[in-house]
Amino acid sequence: EPEVTQTPSHQVTQMGQEVILRCVPISNHLYFYWYRQILGQKVEFLVSFYNNEISEKSEIFDDQFSVERPDGSNFTLKIRSTKLEDSAMYFCASSKRTGVYEQYFGPGTRLTVT
Amino acid sequence: GESVGLHLPTLSVQEGDNSIINCAYSNSASDYFIWYKQESGKGPQFIIDIRSNMDKRQGQRVTVLLNKTVKHLSLQIAATQPGDSAVYFCAEGETSGSRLTFGEGTQLTVNP
Repeated sequence: EPEVTQTPSHQVTQMGQEVILRCVPISNHLYFYWYRQILGQKVEFLVSFYNNEISEKSEIFDDQFSVERPDGSNFTLKIRSTKLEDSAMYFCASSKRTGVYEQYFGPGTRLTVT
Repeated sequence: GESVGLHLPTLSVQEGDNSIINCAYSNSASDYFIWYKQESGKGPQFIIDIRSNMDKRQGQRVTVLLNKTVKHLSLQIAATQPGDSAVYFCAEGETSGSRLTFGEGTQLTVNP
């Protein structure tokens, strides 16, 4: 069964450094998303992406964040200058259908900012 | 200040029993709902979804019920198995948008 994959599984970085989290969505999916889950809290929406454009973003997704589909298979989330409060589990999701429907999640990247 | 983690509601059942996990949602405009299962260290796994034009939808061993009047969603798992032990999240969304808003989750423990 096709799955969303994410690398790395765990990333440790120092405050102020840039990080890039990588995702390979399910191959016939066209809609991509990033969510995050701070330890012990709810899963929160960050951004959705379709046709090389951001479709929707949350209040969390400020100028420090960016997303890109650099090639036909990868989808990345960049945090330009990490803060301690960016420490969280970051989940990539993809969907065959536009909007909220049937979003399939990857295993996540645990980001630890020290 | 301090950030306080969620204290998850818990449900403990015996293997073979039926489980019912409940969820209240807040946005009256939500017209799409989805249940996810999250095992420790893994991402949310899609279980079943339902649109607001339905009250009930069945899958394999799972049923989702939607009561729009009281903004309540439930997930029923038949003949619960130890492998069903996980945190279960409901999520809501508007089909005009793309974001899912997750609930706080319920920890289901199945005792053999």
